[in-house]
Amino acid sequence: DGGITQSPKYLFRKEGQNVTLSCEQNLNHDAMYWYRQDPGQGLRLIYYSQIVNDFQKGDIAEGYSVSREKKESFPLTVTSAQKNPTAFYLCASSVGARGGRRGDTQYFGPGTRLTVL
Amino acid sequence: RKEVEQDPGPFNVPEGATVAFNCTYSNSASQSFFWYRQDCRKEPKLLMSVYSSGNEDGRFTAQLNRASQYISLLIRDSKLSDSATYLCVVNRRSYKLSFGAGTTVTVRA
Repeated sequence: DGGITQSPKYLFRKEGQNVTLSCEQNLNHDAMYWYRQDPGQGLRLIYYSQIVNDFQKGDIAEGYSVSREKKESFPLTVTSAQKNPTAFYLCASSVGARGGRRGDTQYFGPGTRLTVL
Repeated sequence: RKEVEQDPGPFNVPEGATVAFNCTYSNSASQSFFWYRQDCRKEPKLLMSVYSSGNEDGRFTAQLNRASQYISLLIRDSKLSDSATYLCVVNRRSYKLSFGAGTTVTVRA
């Protein structure tokens, strides 16, 4: 079955630690995105990538890093510089530019809940 | 001003009722509009896309008013399973999206 997977489902981080969240898709989508969701707020864009080996900062990139070495994978590292990392992290993908007008429809993975201890 | 604004609700309706709510957006250049459904502690799932004046899918109807910059969602014959948070989503440039904080709907028996 085609889809987006994220792991782990729950993650606990100690102060000062870096942690990496996994996101994999087998939809053959070019574009991938990372969001965080906090209670009562809309999803906020952290980083996005429209093609392999290229990515751009979103609205709240400070304290996060990403890589896009393979089309299928877009891992997110939450660094110790992120002061308030406790949140629900969602990865999404879309066809992207080759999909024309409908290339911006995004599909989401099941998410990772990160808690700082 | 937020890029996408929604009435948070909650909208509490009996089964079989019709419920409707709006979403306003600030970017007049937006061309793609979406409604996503999100269940508690789950990921958002696409409900419908709106590229022209509106879209209908079964009991769900979305209407777009470009002049006033709002999109509405109407749910007819509400089911208990329609209880969820509905996210209004609007495209930005470079295939990025802006998300509203969501409207909570609770359907009661």
